[in-house]
Amino acid sequence: GQNIDQPTEMTATEGAIVQINCTYQTSGFNGLFWYQQHAGEAPTFLSYNVLDGLEEKGRFSSFLSRSKGYSYLLLKELQMKDSASYLCAVRDQNTDKLIFGTGTRLQVFP
Amino acid sequence: NAGVTQTPKFRVLKTGQSMTLLCAQDMNHEYMYWYRQDPGMGLRLIHYSVGEGTTAKGEVPDGYNVSRLKKQNFLLGLESAAPSQTSVYFCASSQTGWQPQHFGDGTRLSIL
Repeated sequence: GQNIDQPTEMTATEGAIVQINCTYQTSGFNGLFWYQQHAGEAPTFLSYNVLDGLEEKGRFSSFLSRSKGYSYLLLKELQMKDSASYLCAVRDQNTDKLIFGTGTRLQVFP
Repeated sequence: NAGVTQTPKFRVLKTGQSMTLLCAQDMNHEYMYWYRQDPGMGLRLIHYSVGEGTTAKGEVPDGYNVSRLKKQNFLLGLESAAPSQTSVYFCASSQTGWQPQHFGDGTRLSIL
């Protein structure tokens, strides 16, 4: 079966750094995605990790450890517009489908 | 650049009514998906398609049917709507199973 855990809510201050964790248990892993979803809008793709290590994209970075079933999304120099939900999704090797976590709602305060 | 377009954006139905949600993509993607998103549940896959003329069941297919007669369109049907189907429905598409999915803006469906 599949199980993905991420914190329900987090808060941070503008200009700070925040790390959103995601742990997963899956029978067949083949990649992990992070999506951003603003309230009332569609999810948008942020990053993809399939090998262990850090992927950096501007202010956003994502890390994966397959042996630990663990990933995190790191957001630097937080801006008010980063207030959104962040969805962790694991690609199942056996079915090719994405299994989504319930998302982490991040609120950035001035 | 339209990307993935869903119609309608909002709809209110009575229990027992039927309706069809339309998803259209202009990126020539092979894969298309229908999800529902409920508070505290995350996105759950209803049905998906890996190419024109194909469909397959996802995690929560009961009460829904789909068709992919044209590559660019993926239709989701509710034959007899139930209050438990009140949700936000998202369509997504991707070129392959391992590439990022592109989502539409969602359809907010309420069933009374």
